[in-house]
Amino acid sequence: DTAVSQTPKYLVTQMGNDKSIKCEQNLGHDTMYWYKQDSKKFLKIMFSYNNKELIINETVPNRFSPKSPDKAHLNLHINSLELGDSAVYFCASSPDGAEETQYFGPGTRLLVL
Amino acid sequence: AQSVTQLDSHVSVSEGTPVLLRCNYSSSYSPSLFWYVQHPNKGLQLLLKYTSAATLVKGINGFEAEFKKSETSFHLTKPSAHMSDAAEYFCVVSENGQNFVFGPGTRLSVLP
Repeated sequence: DTAVSQTPKYLVTQMGNDKSIKCEQNLGHDTMYWYKQDSKKFLKIMFSYNNKELIINETVPNRFSPKSPDKAHLNLHINSLELGDSAVYFCASSPDGAEETQYFGPGTRLLVL
Repeated sequence: AQSVTQLDSHVSVSEGTPVLLRCNYSSSYSPSLFWYVQHPNKGLQLLLKYTSAATLVKGINGFEAEFKKSETSFHLTKPSAHMSDAAEYFCVVSENGQNFVFGPGTRLSVLP
């Protein structure tokens, strides 16, 4: 049983398009995250949601909009895709608390042409 | 503000020899510290975590790490490297459980 799942696994699209990446966790966790991993493997947090409410919104272009319909889902919508958006996007979840482990999805590899 | 430094971007060892991956952190409070591993084209998997209990933490696959507050370090070690250990390793610090700051990663190569 997959704990944190993301769809699609791969996404190839043209500049200017709008696309969404979906994330679901079946762990009953309260907090979910989106990370961007660039070509140099550097991981940077983009958003954090706790019980459907936005907690962290790092410096991310407003073309990126997270949506959390319920606490088990955190989707990422990207408008007007740019070449620099090409990266691997990871969803993660964790229970509340400073000591808690994050559980990561398998990643979505986005390539913008 | 939290930050994490991984001093080596790439470490290469021979199979059967010890592994040392270095991590230093900066935190205003008592942090939680984690090591994650990412195998090629895979997601991230937790190796071990420190959460203010024992300073020597044992993780999966024979890895362990020691929290040294005086040195603000949390280095990852393994006595004997295996070929399957070749991967990217990330040191992570969290102060509040909602913001996890990742280090830049260390790529471990294991030579036969």
